[in-house]
Amino acid sequence: DIQMTQSPASLSASLGETVTIECRASEDIYNGLAWYQQKPGKSPQLLIYNANSLHTGVPSRFSGSGSGTQYSLKINSLQSEDVASYFCQQYYDYPPWTFGGGTKLELK
Amino acid sequence: QIQLVQSGPELKKPGESVKISCKASGYTFTNYGMYWVKQAPGQGLQYMGWINTETGKPTYADDFKGRFVFFLETSASTAYLQINNLKNEDMATYFCARGEPLGFDYWGQGVMVTVSS
Repeated sequence: DIQMTQSPASLSASLGETVTIECRASEDIYNGLAWYQQKPGKSPQLLIYNANSLHTGVPSRFSGSGSGTQYSLKINSLQSEDVASYFCQQYYDYPPWTFGGGTKLELK
Repeated sequence: QIQLVQSGPELKKPGESVKISCKASGYTFTNYGMYWVKQAPGQGLQYMGWINTETGKPTYADDFKGRFVFFLETSASTAYLQINNLKNEDMATYFCARGEPLGFDYWGQGVMVTVSS
């Protein structure tokens, strides 16, 4: 099974700052990667698919990039509503659709 | 609009069984697989498996083979997760999610299962 390693596990940033979260796959996943946002007490929401495509309705301050085994999620101009946990998920080699361990983003 | 509505919270004793429902609306139920995800308290997301809503065939992740059962009531556009012989480590929130080829695009609100004697 492909393993997904996310970093950092937690992150503190200020409003307006740019934040980057990394996800590394144990082997090439050929951009078969999604990012999810989960606000406290809520279900996860799809942000990005195919590593860099924005899901419908997701603000343009979110972007995804990467290739091969290394991927990242960037949030430009951090807003208070972006406080959440973020998870990557690979769907290139399935099953299983493996999730990363998550990154908890808080405001400084 | 597309919705996945799950059943309410459950309080069970070790060794009991629990059945969680996930009712889909706003789309053709059999056009998308239904996936199940576990989230233990304060932890990340763990993929449990999925059920093919066209054929009813379930596929379980390795950690969820044996006591976990996925099944459907297709006429009611509803998927179910049953957990038998509950253990303390089953205490978690369980989500259903609609599977697209490119990720899970709609999620249920989650069902918290508490296991306590």
